[in-house]
Order: sequence, then structure tokens, then C-alpha cells
Amino acid sequence: KQEVTQIPAALSVPEGENLVLNCSFTDSAIYNLQWFRQDPGKGLTSLLLIQSSQREQTSGRLNASLDKSSGRSTLYIAASQPGDSATYLCATTQGGSEKLVFGKGTKLTVNP
Amino acid sequence: GAVVSQHPSWVICKSGTSVKIECRSLDFQATTMFWYRQFPKQSLMLMATSNEGSKATYEQGVEKDKFLINHASLTLSTLTVTSAHPEDSSFYICSARAAGRAYGYTFGSGTRLTVV
Repeated sequence: KQEVTQIPAALSVPEGENLVLNCSFTDSAIYNLQWFRQDPGKGLTSLLLIQSSQREQTSGRLNASLDKSSGRSTLYIAASQPGDSATYLCATTQGGSEKLVFGKGTKLTVNP
Repeated sequence: GAVVSQHPSWVICKSGTSVKIECRSLDFQATTMFWYRQFPKQSLMLMATSNEGSKATYEQGVEKDKFLINHASLTLSTLTVTSAHPEDSSFYICSARAAGRAYGYTFGSGTRLTVV
């Protein structure tokens, strides 16, 4: 059974700082891994999708890496802004199914 | 990009009544949609997989008679919470994926259900 863990659970940084969010998973037989952002009381916004054959994906100030063999993914946020404050969720597939398994998220606060 | 619309965004109902939540894929067809539940400060837990034209597949521990799922078309899935109780109060979110695993999952905006 796939298990996804995110560290840290919460992070508070000053504006402008570069930061890294960590995600680990127990079953390396994944189709892909996806990072989401969730604002309070809202749905999920997809940030980056990494296919199992890829090592990383970039979108603007965000860069996500994937190391299947070690069961790890990181989300790098450059030059953080107060608008980046949200909960970031990592999710990947379970076994040979399309079901997504989510981590508990990292709550990020970027202070002006 | 792929857009999933979910309605209502919030609903308050009395105990014992039923509530229907709709999930629509606006610009793509989705043979499979997923329904999640999220408790405060917890992550998303998959409740069921909605399959167009066939019965939904429920996760272990989810009562199929209480959470009725209908996926009558390639763009619409509905979740009906029957005989709602206060413990059913939660945040419900649906998701869908365009054909082909090159695409990720798109999520609706969620529905906050409060049962009083």
C-alpha cells in the first residue's frame, strides 16, 4: 500500500527566501507524481506533474524533482512571496491503479 | 487547460436530509472521476471512483448506500449524501483526468457540507 509523507508539516519563511518542500513515498511503482496547492477552504490547484520517466519539471519559480529509486520528490520554490502562502500537497499513484494517494501537506507561510 | 466545475461550493442541511453534489468536466470527457473527503487539517482521502456507465467503486470503509454516486455521462458525476448526519460534515472534492496518463488530475473547487 502506497504511503506518502511530507516534511515539514509547516514552514514559515521571510519573503524572498528560497525553500524546499519534501515528499517521500513507499512504493516506487508509480505512474506519475503531482504537486498541488490548496488555499484555505478551497479546492486543489495543480502545480507540477512529473511522469515516472522524468526527473524534474519546472514552471516559473517552481521546480519539482523526482527520484523514483529512493522514493523522493522535492518542490523548490525560488524567491518566495506572501502570495505563495498555502498548503502544498504531494500525491502519487498507488500500485498499478490511477488512484492518487496524498501526503498530509506542508503549510507554508511567507511573511512580508 | 482541463477544468472541473463543482457545485455547490457550500451547503447547510438538516440531519436526515439528502444532499447532491455535482462535478462536471467542462472541456474534456472523463470516463473516470474520483470523490475525496477532507477533514480539517487532514489530507484528502479517496472515497470512491466513479465510472461512466457503470457502478462506482468504493474504498474500504465507505458506505455505498450512504454516499450514492452516479456517473451518467462523460462530463458529469454526482455524489449524493443520503440521510445526512453531523458526522458527515466535511469538505468533499471531486477530480477527473483527461484521457492519457500524460495529463495530471484536475480538481474541483470543493463543497463544504455542514449538517445541523
